[in-house]
Amino acid sequence: QVQLVESGGGLVKPGGSLRLSCAASGFTFSDYYMNWIRQAPGKGLEWVSHISRSGRSIYYADSVKGRFTISRDNAKNSLYLQMDSLRADDTAVYYCAKDVGYFETWWYFDLWGRGTLVTVSS
Amino acid sequence: DIVMTQSPDSLAVSLGERATINCKSSQSVLYNSNNKNYLAWYQQKPGQPPKLLINGASTRGSGVPDRFSGSGSGTDFTLTISSLQAEDVAVYYCQQYFSTPPTFGQGTKVEIK
Repeated sequence: QVQLVESGGGLVKPGGSLRLSCAASGFTFSDYYMNWIRQAPGKGLEWVSHISRSGRSIYYADSVKGRFTISRDNAKNSLYLQMDSLRADDTAVYYCAKDVGYFETWWYFDLWGRGTLVTVSS
Repeated sequence: DIVMTQSPDSLAVSLGERATINCKSSQSVLYNSNNKNYLAWYQQKPGQPPKLLINGASTRGSGVPDRFSGSGSGTDFTLTISSLQAEDVAVYYCQQYFSTPPTFGQGTKVEIK
């Protein structure tokens, strides 16, 4: 079925690194722009990063720019988020989310994974 | 960045009654060339990811019950649940996609009175 499944979350110390993965199935992954969106415990939604179908066009939220790197492997139907220099305020559930647009981006999201929890604490 | 502000933060409504959630953007999200509002609504039930309910301010997503409706234009928007059901207990978020970065409202929690 059509789904996104995130993995790679966990407990990491401030300043540490973590790599999140998102496995897509049930649709042609390479046809869609993809995003990471996070939600701190008990808080609202914050868009984190966006990547084009080819991976050549990338955007980041100011809060993560220079520390996080988004990438994708269309052959493996997978999206990634490399997170470096992690801080306590990066603690959140990280969702992988598919853009609604087919071969184009609309910047809103019609398919979300269940998320993976990242906890940054000493 | 466009700031999205929802009101109220929470509301309690009796089963079968109407629930109304407001969303205000710090600048217009109406794209003049196509006269479309770049505004979406999501529903997030406890322990679940968000689900897209409405796009274009008023177009319901696939499979969304018709008791959910969206209205408004420019900077002021409303999500209405015409007859609240138990399964509608959730947090609702508005999101603008008029400009990058896409931004969300802080959420409105809907409960049963």
